[in-house]
Amino acid sequence: AQKVTQAQTEISVVEKEDVTLDCVYETRDTTYYLFWYKQPPSGELVFLIRRNSFDEQNEISGRYSWNFQKSTSSFNFTITASQVVDSAVYFCALKVAAGNKLTFGGGTRVLVKP
Amino acid sequence: DSGVTQTPKHLITATGQRVTLRCSPRSGDLSVYWYQQSLDQGLQFLIQYYNGEERAKGNILERFSAQQFPDLHSELNLSSLELGDSALYFCASSVVGTSGGSSTDTQYFGPGTRLTVL
Repeated sequence: AQKVTQAQTEISVVEKEDVTLDCVYETRDTTYYLFWYKQPPSGELVFLIRRNSFDEQNEISGRYSWNFQKSTSSFNFTITASQVVDSAVYFCALKVAAGNKLTFGGGTRVLVKP
Repeated sequence: DSGVTQTPKHLITATGQRVTLRCSPRSGDLSVYWYQQSLDQGLQFLIQYYNGEERAKGNILERFSAQQFPDLHSELNLSSLELGDSALYFCASSVVGTSGGSSTDTQYFGPGTRLTVL
């Protein structure tokens, strides 16, 4: 069985500060995929990024960057120079290659104050 | 906008009733997934259909059922509703049903249907 843990339940920052969201996952599968989704106050779930287990290269996309470390089973996500519009709940999710479903963490609520 | 549509956006009903939630996947996507988001259980996978056939089942109650039609839209039927069924129900879609090392199994979510059972 798979498990995703997001230890931070809520983070509050002031605009322009960087925010790092932690995600730790558990799986016995060797091929898997990790995702971050954003749920703004309006309620929809928005896909942000995807990472494959066989590619540990970390990347930056605009103000988003992620740090995937297989050795510690972590997939952390950073928002640089946060903005008020970044206020949302962020979910980390895991999908194994042989499976169909996404296993979600409990989410981290980010509040960006002006 | 993900391209996945769900209707209705809100639904208020009474215990014991039956409701149907509808989902239209993104153009070209063959897989549809249903998830339930509640305060106590978080986001939970319910069921997946691929090209009209059931592909995977998660924590779906026997009172719940789903189907995918030839035009690929899907419906989630919830019957004998209880207070605890109040939740946000999401539909997601992807091109394929399982991973092939590509991004074609990335799931894109609809806006959700908020069900309130009184």
